[in-house]
Amino acid sequence: DGGITQSPKYLFRKEGQNVTLSCEQNLNHDAMYWYRQDPGQGLRLIYYSQIVNDFQKGDIAEGYSVSREKKESFPLTVTSAQKNPTAFYLCASSIKTVYGQGILLNTEAFFGQGTRLTVV
Amino acid sequence: KNQVEQSPQSLIILEGKNCTLQCNYTVSPFSNLRWYKQDTGRGPVSLTIMTFSENTKSNGRYTATLDADTKQSSLHITASQLSDSASYICVVKKGGSYIPTFGRGTSLIVHP
Repeated sequence: DGGITQSPKYLFRKEGQNVTLSCEQNLNHDAMYWYRQDPGQGLRLIYYSQIVNDFQKGDIAEGYSVSREKKESFPLTVTSAQKNPTAFYLCASSIKTVYGQGILLNTEAFFGQGTRLTVV
Repeated sequence: KNQVEQSPQSLIILEGKNCTLQCNYTVSPFSNLRWYKQDTGRGPVSLTIMTFSENTKSNGRYTATLDADTKQSSLHITASQLSDSASYICVVKKGGSYIPTFGRGTSLIVHP
């Protein structure tokens, strides 16, 4: 089946630890995104990547790091510098949005099932 | 101030009833607007997309409307079912931007 897979579904972290959340997609999408979701708030963008070996900070990148060594994979590391990491993390992918000639305006983001991270 | 505001924040209805969720946005220039359904503990799934020239679009029991002049959209659910219980998120894409703006969602609970 084509899709986007996040693992693990639940993750517990001790204070001061780094943890890595996995995100894999077999949709052949160029763009991948990491969002954080807290109760009562909209999704907030942490990092995004439009192409392999390139990524950009989103609105709340502090305390997080990513890599994009392969098109299919976009892991997120929550570092000890992230002071409030307990949240629901969502990974998404989409066809790369191109502006200018060959515009793709209505690309849908496909989401994984999320990882719930809890600090203990 | 969030550029995408949704109302109500939460809604409880009886099974079989209709309901309407609202989305007001200030994102400009406008490219498109999507409604997503997010079941508890799962990722959002797209229900419908609206572009500037579209006023109404249906997907089964879900009907979305868009008034680009007043920058308002609504999602109407007819003959609600228990499985409609979820969070409904309005997402607006700005023209020339890679990144969409998410509303905070409306939490819908359908009671038997």
